Amino acid sequence: AQKVTQAQTEISVVEKEDVTLDCVYETRDTTYYLFWYKQPPSGELVFLIRRNSFDEQNEISGRYSWNFQKSTSSFNFTITASQVVDSAVYFCALSDRSNDMRFGAGTRLTVKP
Amino acid sequence: GAVVSQHPSRVICKSGTSVKIECRSLDFQATTMFWYRQFPKKSLMLMATSNEGSKATYEQGVEKDKFLINHASLTLSTLTVTSAHPEDSSFYICSARVVGLRTDTQYFGPGTRLTVL
Repeated sequence: AQKVTQAQTEISVVEKEDVTLDCVYETRDTTYYLFWYKQPPSGELVFLIRRNSFDEQNEISGRYSWNFQKSTSSFNFTITASQVVDSAVYFCALSDRSNDMRFGAGTRLTVKP
Repeated sequence: GAVVSQHPSRVICKSGTSVKIECRSLDFQATTMFWYRQFPKKSLMLMATSNEGSKATYEQGVEKDKFLINHASLTLSTLTVTSAHPEDSSFYICSARVVGLRTDTQYFGPGTRLTVL
């Protein structure tokens, strides 16, 4: 069975601080996909990244970066120089051979000015 | 990118009535669509997988007679909450699956906020 754990329920930082959101997953499949989504107060999910299990390269997109480590089954997300607009709930998700997507509990990030 | 719409975006209804929520893929065909429910400050929980032309597959604990899903075309899936009760109040989100040569992903709709009085 697939499972996604986001141990951090809430994080609060001050603007310009770096922050890392943790994600640990479980799956029996060797082929799977990992995702990160942002959900602002409006509710609409904003796609951030998709990573397949065969690509362990870390990725950087602007202030966002992702660290995928299969050895520890983790797919952590770092925001550098956080901004108030980054305040949202962030979800990590896993999709494996069953094709449905399982979400973690989410981490609520608050960036204070 | 692919666009998925949901209608209505917000609905308030009286207890005992039925509510239909539409999920449309606007610029692509989706043989598979998914329905999720999200309670306040909670995560998204998969309710069911909707396949075009066949019966939906429901997750454990989801009443199929209460949450009717119809996927009559490759661009439309509907979720009907029958005899709604206040505990059905939630944020309902659909997604559409796109499979290509090098991709297999889901695009999410903007969600429908249901409030049952």
